Amino acid sequence: KQEVTQIPAALSVPEGENLVLNCSFTDSAIYNLQWFRQDPGKGLTSLLLIQSSQREQTSGRLNASLDKSSGRSTLYIAASQPGDSATYLCAVDPHDSNYQLIWGAGTKLIIKP
Amino acid sequence: ETGVTQTPRHLVMGMTNKKSLKCEQHLGHNAMYWYKQSAKKPLELMFVYNFKEQTENNSVPSRFSPECPNSSHLFLHLHTLQPEDSALYLCASSRTSGRLIGELFFGEGSRLTVL
Repeated sequence: KQEVTQIPAALSVPEGENLVLNCSFTDSAIYNLQWFRQDPGKGLTSLLLIQSSQREQTSGRLNASLDKSSGRSTLYIAASQPGDSATYLCAVDPHDSNYQLIWGAGTKLIIKP
Repeated sequence: ETGVTQTPRHLVMGMTNKKSLKCEQHLGHNAMYWYKQSAKKPLELMFVYNFKEQTENNSVPSRFSPECPNSSHLFLHLHTLQPEDSALYLCASSRTSGRLIGELFFGEGSRLTVL
């Protein structure tokens, strides 16, 4: 059974630092992995989607990598800003699921001014 | 603006009320989803509609009743809810390809409080 884990559950860093968020999954049989951002009380915003055949995707200051063989993905945020404060979630689309993503519990990120 | 609009944003209802949540997507997607998000719990998929046909129902209690009249609109009808049903209800849409879900786009959510 596919499981997705995000560690740490919470992270607080000073503004300007580069940081890495981690996502691990137990079964490499996935179609893709997505990273989302959620602000308090709001919906989720898709940040990056990495296909299983890809190693990384970039959007602005964000870079997501995928290592299927080791069951890991990282979200790299460069030059962090207070506006990056949010909860970041990852989810995988597994081969054996019927339209159901498997979600991590998220990492709550706080960027201190 | 994600292209997925949910109304109402906030809803308070008693346990005997009947209400509905509405979701509309303007992205030309063929699949729509209802998710439930409770405090300190992972996202829970409730219902999936692909080309207006319900393809997944994750053992959701019958007091939640979905309706998908077309690929752009999705409703969640609520009746005789329990206080533990209080949560953020999120609608999402995607362009599926075979079994692939594709990139998910979410609405802002409807915050439901059951008294």
